[in-house]
Amino acid sequence: DAMVIQNPRYQVTQFGKPVTLSCSQTLNHNVMYWYQQKSSQAPKLLFHYYDKDFNNEADTPDNFQSRRPNTSFCFLDIRSPGLGDAAMYLCAVLGVMNTEAFFGQGTRLTVV
Amino acid sequence: QKEVEQNSGPLSVPEGAIASLNCTYSDRGSQSFFWYRQYSGKSPELIMFIYSNGDKEDGRFTAQLNKASQYVSLLIRDSQPSDSATYLCAVNRGTGFQKLVFGTGTRLLVSP
Repeated sequence: DAMVIQNPRYQVTQFGKPVTLSCSQTLNHNVMYWYQQKSSQAPKLLFHYYDKDFNNEADTPDNFQSRRPNTSFCFLDIRSPGLGDAAMYLCAVLGVMNTEAFFGQGTRLTVV
Repeated sequence: QKEVEQNSGPLSVPEGAIASLNCTYSDRGSQSFFWYRQYSGKSPELIMFIYSNGDKEDGRFTAQLNKASQYVSLLIRDSQPSDSATYLCAVNRGTGFQKLVFGTGTRLLVSP
């Protein structure tokens, strides 16, 4: 059974139209991450949480925001998507013992 | 200097051979190290983690860690064509916000 679930798997949005990606976990882990991965590149960390404590990377564009209303759910909001934001968005959770770091299946975002 | 560095490859090996994948990291405070396999268009799949110096074996995979040299490697024995993928090295500091930072990955090609 999937432990980290991302929805939707594929998202097409119009240039400038806000979009929200979601992630849920059944593992009850404290640490959650959002990554952006473009073709042939490493996953790039956008945000991470320890419980509800939140940290965004210095180079995460202001166009991106994140919410974590509870342990199980996390959202990534893109306020005004540009063509350069087309990518795979990956959610991951890290276990307490730092020995488990699992990804969801990702959401592939297309901006038209 | 990048936080996590990998040779992008491709690394080509014949079926049945040993594939050796290498990764170096810059943060001496790093405590946990992960290897992921990623097929094209898919999310990263956790293969192994290691946090103690030395070797850790799991089936055909062996992870090796040398903290003094800031070096972690993954050996794949009896390589199969199905092992052809990009292998991502990830490093976690293990304290504070526990960033999980990825290298750019090494593309492995196993020929029949």
